[in-house]
Amino acid sequence: GAVVSQHPSWVICKSGTSVKIECRSLDFQATTMFWYRQFPKQSLMLMATSNEGSKATYEQGVEKDKFLINHASLTLSTLTVTSAHPEDSSFYICSARGQGGGTDTQYFGPGTRLTVL
Amino acid sequence: QKEVEQDPGPLSVPEGAIVSLNCTYSNSAFQYFMWYRQYSRKGPELLMYTYSSGNKEDGRFTAQVDKSSKYISLFIRDSQPSDSATYLCAMSANSNYQLIWGAGTKLIIKP
Repeated sequence: GAVVSQHPSWVICKSGTSVKIECRSLDFQATTMFWYRQFPKQSLMLMATSNEGSKATYEQGVEKDKFLINHASLTLSTLTVTSAHPEDSSFYICSARGQGGGTDTQYFGPGTRLTVL
Repeated sequence: QKEVEQDPGPLSVPEGAIVSLNCTYSNSAFQYFMWYRQYSRKGPELLMYTYSSGNKEDGRFTAQVDKSSKYISLFIRDSQPSDSATYLCAMSANSNYQLIWGAGTKLIIKP
């Protein structure tokens, strides 16, 4: 149980384009979803926290107009990187947390590797 | 000083050895403690989830929490090459709070 999927797993795009990443909780309802980015050989950096039906809360230094987060349902959250640039190239990972039944901690998706040319 | 300290390693041990991974923390309000395993280019996988002090065992893995010393450990018995990964500790004061992460320890099990 507590499986989280991400799509796509790998994306390459040109500078200036927008990229959307989907995060789904497959077998539980995720009341809260988290988006992280991770640079090589570094730990996870929390970007934002979103509760279903509410606006996301962004961490300090994260541009909310650049990283658009939508959490429209209890099983789906999306991260859109707008006007991507090479410095946005990173590993983006989502996690989902439910309530009770052993899901009240964070379960992670497999990650999405974004390369901006 | 970081809220959670974790030695990044790498820690290299021979196959079959007992591995000890540790984190220390400064916030006495932390009550929920987790260990995640992350393989290269993959998302973290939850290994152990412990509330408050004490031990928890799951197969070859044992998690220990010593709140009086603000110190948590993960032990791996009969280590295998497939255990080679980065191990991250994480903790929070409340199950609804965001996690505070350690830097991760890179573990290498030599055949």
